[in-house]
Amino acid sequence: DSGVTQTPKHLITATGQRVTLRCSPRSGDLSVYWYQQSLDQGLQFLIQYYNGEERAKGNILERFSAQQFPDLHSELNLSSLELGDSALYFCASSVVGFGNTIYFGEGSWLTVV
Amino acid sequence: AQSVAQPEDQVNVAEGNPLTVKCTYSVSGNPYLFWYVQYPNRGLQFLLKYITGDNLVKGSYGFEAEFNKSQTSFHLKKPSALVSDSALYFCAVRTSADRGSTLGRLYFGRGTQLTVWP
Repeated sequence: DSGVTQTPKHLITATGQRVTLRCSPRSGDLSVYWYQQSLDQGLQFLIQYYNGEERAKGNILERFSAQQFPDLHSELNLSSLELGDSALYFCASSVVGFGNTIYFGEGSWLTVV
Repeated sequence: AQSVAQPEDQVNVAEGNPLTVKCTYSVSGNPYLFWYVQYPNRGLQFLLKYITGDNLVKGSYGFEAEFNKSQTSFHLKKPSALVSDSALYFCAVRTSADRGSTLGRLYFGRGTQLTVWP
């Protein structure tokens, strides 16, 4: 158990809908990262937050947004869903410092039908 | 741009034989290297990392990896493979060149599927 908790584990929704994925980081970790894993694209970095502020952006679509709350949990919002958004979405967390490991949650499986 | 390459999509090895999963990287700045493993329908589990010091690092489940600066490689190895080692392995790198680098994100390779045959 990495200590990073993601909910829901599985989600099936229709095209055009909106979903929210939730992440609770490891205790003490101020930094949260979101990644998308799909068969054709591999692991894609989406966005990073540190102590409530956005710190880095990757290949995140405009239909997607995220935030980190004062209690440090984070949410990834996916809207106007398309079939191609079906993927495994990972949240990860870490403390400051190069040498510190980034720990991943079990992921949220999103299927868009 | 930072990048990680895992040249083999698939590695097959017989149980009891040594295994190697290859990784090369290209970054500006100093590299900090990681290996993760993903079992079917599971998340990414941390295996080991190289930060500084001894080029040979040891990790979980008997795995080790060797950092080679001149070849910009960080190959994962295990002296004797187990069937239970069958999984998807990812190499990843952080770099001191990233802005706000102490919080730097990981750059991943595309993964190598390891299959160990009994």
